[in-house]
Formats: sequence, C-alpha cells, structure tokens
Amino acid sequence: GAGVSQSPSNKVTEKGKDVELRCDPISGHTALYWYRQSLGQGLEFLIYFQGNSAPDKSGLPSDRFSAERTGGSVSTLTIQRTQQEDSAVYLCASSFLAGENNEQFFGPGTRLTVL
Amino acid sequence: AQSVTQLGSHVSVSEGALVLLRCNYSSSVPPYLFWYVQYPNQGLQLLLKYTSAATLVKGINGFEAEFKKSETSFHLTKPSAHMSDAAEYFCAVINSGGYQKVTFGTGTKLQVIP
Repeated sequence: GAGVSQSPSNKVTEKGKDVELRCDPISGHTALYWYRQSLGQGLEFLIYFQGNSAPDKSGLPSDRFSAERTGGSVSTLTIQRTQQEDSAVYLCASSFLAGENNEQFFGPGTRLTVL
Repeated sequence: AQSVTQLGSHVSVSEGALVLLRCNYSSSVPPYLFWYVQYPNQGLQLLLKYTSAATLVKGINGFEAEFKKSETSFHLTKPSAHMSDAAEYFCAVINSGGYQKVTFGTGTKLQVIP
C-alpha cells in the first residue's frame, strides 16, 4: 500500500524566500510528525499533529516556521524568509495512533537547500 | 525526559564480521526503545522495537537488540555484516507523557568494507 509521501523531494531556494513542504500521511493515520535532519545534527523534532490540532509545537526553531494540517490528512510545513541555516532534510512521519507502542512510518524527506 | 546516546558516529566493519552499534538510554521509567535504519536518500525504516515483552528483540534483515536494564543499554547487533547493511542507524526512545514523542540519537553510520 501507499506509504508516507512528501513533496517536493528537493527544493532549492534563495535566502529570504518562503517555501512550503508537503506531507501526505498514510491513510487513516491520525498522528503526524515533522522532523528536521541536518548534517551531523541527527533528527530534530519540530511539531506533532493529532488530527488537525498541534498539541506540541515545541520543536519549531523560530516564528518563521509554521505548520498546518487539514482534513486530518495532508500537512504543510511553511518556512518564511528562509535562511541558510534552514538547509536540511525535512522528514514527515505518521502513525495510526499517538501511543507508546505505535510505530512511526517515515516519508523519504524533502531536501531543502537555501542559497 | 528520556534520552538516548549512541556511541560512535561512524563504525566500519568488514563484510561477514559482527556488527555492534551501541545505544544507551536515560529514563526514569521503563522505556520504549527503537532502532531505525536510513538507507541513502531514503526515509527512516523501523528495524525493531522493545516494548517490555521480551528483552531480546529480533528485527528485520537479521538484526537484533538486547535490552539490558542493569546497563541501561539497547545495543544493536548482527552476526555477519552484508554490503547492503551500509546505512545510518538511529536509536530512539519514546518520551513519557501523553503521546508518542520520539527522541532520536545522533545516529551511527555503518560502513561495510568488502
């Protein structure tokens, strides 16, 4: 069956531009997560959605970052006025429930390069 | 809050040799622990998970991990490395409190030498 998909797979943008990254979770998965993977930094949690609401936004690095989820499905991560330090791979994951025993399924990521 | 520490950002083994990737956790309550693998230019894939049912956990591709409470460890092993095992491996722990917030280690890149 279809897994988590993300688009675009690669995005190159100029410093100061806004970008939108999209995540399509597995159908029926209520929980959705965004992570950032920077070179040498490991995986950094950004935000978690349960349905359309975001109970935990604690990982968003600045107010330039925002995310929304609509219809309990697709999520968009928006980065405004991009900076070079925003360059990273942005990973999305979804799980059926938000519980301790629920596996997260990851998408392939969007590689963002800010020039 | 729980955390995990992966010792060694890069590990090299010869093809056919034992693979040992180290992970130690810090937790005040019984943890849920995971190992994920990330192949080049791909997302993360679950290798195995510990949820207290059994201390020795078998995963995909011949990997296994043993939960040792006395050592607060959850090391990943495979008896014989294959070239296809070259990837980055992440240990992870579930944070307590309400929902499944996963905290990842910094990752270990495994190189397999022919």
